[in-house]
Amino acid sequence: GAVVSQHPSWVICKSGTSVKIECRSLDFQATTMFWYRQFPKQSLMLMATSNEGSKATYEQGVEKDKFLINHASLTLSTLTVTSAHPEDSSFYICSARDPARQGGGQPQHFGDGTRLSIL
Amino acid sequence: GDSVTQMEGPVTLSEEAFLTINCTYTATGYPSLFWYVQYPGEGLQLLLKATKADDKGSNKGFEATYRKETTSFHLEKGSVQVSDSAVYFCALKDNQGGKLIFGQGTELSVKP
Repeated sequence: GAVVSQHPSWVICKSGTSVKIECRSLDFQATTMFWYRQFPKQSLMLMATSNEGSKATYEQGVEKDKFLINHASLTLSTLTVTSAHPEDSSFYICSARDPARQGGGQPQHFGDGTRLSIL
Repeated sequence: GDSVTQMEGPVTLSEEAFLTINCTYTATGYPSLFWYVQYPGEGLQLLLKATKADDKGSNKGFEATYRKETTSFHLEKGSVQVSDSAVYFCALKDNQGGKLIFGQGTELSVKP
């Protein structure tokens, strides 16, 4: 089945550091990828929709200068948390949609998530 | 806007008990409905889906029926196992933008 790989799975870094998270679709080309943020024991909140070859679409309240998204190829999207602070600590999950499977029932395939801890 | 509401957890059951996790939704149009499962420390996995009214999604003994009249998509399993312990998310996807909207998740704990 479709596989989405997310890397790294866990990162700890100092406040002020920028952190890049990669999301790859391994066996399909994804023109659209999604980035979510999940706080402990809470649901996933969509941060942005990443479109290959164009600018990402950010949800209301998400700082685009803080969370930089690049979708330079059909198999890779990256999320960079710039100048990270402790309040950015969270679980970040990406997903990708396989355009070869059309229709409303087309599921998103999720990566395993990245746990980001800012000290 | 569109929204999904799930029953609050945690839900604690004994092995082989019957499971129901309620999910209701609010949406314009005719969304597709999904159940995702998240095991500890992992991302989400699609459990089952339904794309139109009266469709029944099923997988691994779980099933859910798309009820348009009650705007519900309750998850059921006849006999749960310890390995079913996880967080379950109900979600809808509108057929225009393709965004997934998640419920708050329901934690299931199955005891031996």
